[in-house]
Amino acid sequence: GQQLNQSPQSMFIQEGEDVSMNCTSSSIFNTWLWYKQEPGEGPVLLIALYKAGELTSNGRLTAQFGITRKDSFLNISASIPSDVGIYFCAGLNYGGSQGNLIFGKGTKLSVKP
Amino acid sequence: EAGVVQSPRYKIIEKKQPVAFWCNPISGHNTLYWYRQNLGQGPELLIRYENEEAVDDSQLPKDRFSAERLKGVDSTLKIQPAELGDSAVYLCASSPRGGHGYTFGSGTRLTVV
Repeated sequence: GQQLNQSPQSMFIQEGEDVSMNCTSSSIFNTWLWYKQEPGEGPVLLIALYKAGELTSNGRLTAQFGITRKDSFLNISASIPSDVGIYFCAGLNYGGSQGNLIFGKGTKLSVKP
Repeated sequence: EAGVVQSPRYKIIEKKQPVAFWCNPISGHNTLYWYRQNLGQGPELLIRYENEEAVDDSQLPKDRFSAERLKGVDSTLKIQPAELGDSAVYLCASSPRGGHGYTFGSGTRLTVV
């Protein structure tokens, strides 16, 4: 099935460092979403972006919806150990017969205290 | 408010055996999704329901997979017979009509031996 191109695949950082990850697609989306998944759990929504160019923050997390509607990035500032997990981007075209999330392969984040 | 509830959390079966997963979505959510997540990958859609109607089952391997949502509330996903390659996490998600407000359950981790 279709998947988005998400990079990097994994990151090993020191506590306190900033993190940046991005996602690209060959198709446009109406909505970009960023999820975090911890072991044994389902993905949990972090940020939803609904408009091209939109920049949205949720605490230490900031995400942007690319102008072309084919990309998005997520930044985490001042990382802490509980940021550990796998971060997924997802694109969504909702309405009508659509409404299925297309996911990236994830970025695995490790934070060293 | 209860989230999306899935059971069982874990299942180990021998190949060629049948297996079923159950999902109860968030109350009032018309749309229900089943996703499969292979190790190291993002989730991929298997089937989407709007109420009791399967509106997208194009990615469901129909020779061995079946799903139902008889009363438009909870849903069951079945595999018969299971193959080794079916080992994965099966995630259920629900949303209000239109795709906004996606919420995932914790998933069922299936191991086929």
